Amino acid sequence: AQRVTQPEKLLSVFKGAPVELKCNYSYSGSPELFWYVQYSRQRLQLLLRHISRESIKGFTADLNKGETSFHLKKPFAQEEDSAMYYCALRYTGNQFYFGTGTSLTVIP
Amino acid sequence: GAGVSQSPSNKVTEKGKDVELRCDPISGHTALYWYRQSLGQGLEFLIYFQGNSAPDKSGLPSDRFSAERTGGSVSTLTIQRTQQEDSAVYLCASSLGGGAGEKLFFGSGTQLSVL
Repeated sequence: AQRVTQPEKLLSVFKGAPVELKCNYSYSGSPELFWYVQYSRQRLQLLLRHISRESIKGFTADLNKGETSFHLKKPFAQEEDSAMYYCALRYTGNQFYFGTGTSLTVIP
Repeated sequence: GAGVSQSPSNKVTEKGKDVELRCDPISGHTALYWYRQSLGQGLEFLIYFQGNSAPDKSGLPSDRFSAERTGGSVSTLTIQRTQQEDSAVYLCASSLGGGAGEKLFFGSGTQLSVL
């Protein structure tokens, strides 16, 4: 069963515009959600995690248990934000399930 | 080492041959993960190790795939009788193995091409 859904495979926004990458999950337990990012020719790396309630590179994500969502948002997109973004769910201990990813392109 | 190391970085093989992919996790990380990354499929979970044991092998796509981990460190992923659909980037990740907000550290991957 799919546990993480990222409905958009591709997303393009203009520089300076707001961006939102959607993530929905299904899990009966208490979820831990993460966003990972892969910039061109770089390793996949952690962007942020819901438990820290942090803002990284201007990105934020709020866990909405009612809507089972963990959307990633940034008010003003920058060209350097162009990358592949993966939403991830940690479940039953140390296992992580990733969504299919969203490729974000920020148009200058 | 400085990070998760994977070798080889690229592997080209002929259909039907066996391949071994290696992962060296960060020292002290007890958890190790293998994922497969392909276009349109995202990051597909293969197997997870805690120490030397694999509590979850559910992601291995067929019995041609196997993995082991020795000494709580290095792991090898073996694909027997490779098929063209096995072509993908195989990613390894490691983590400390406990605690909330656990962070995965990824290697740079092995690009496997099956001709």
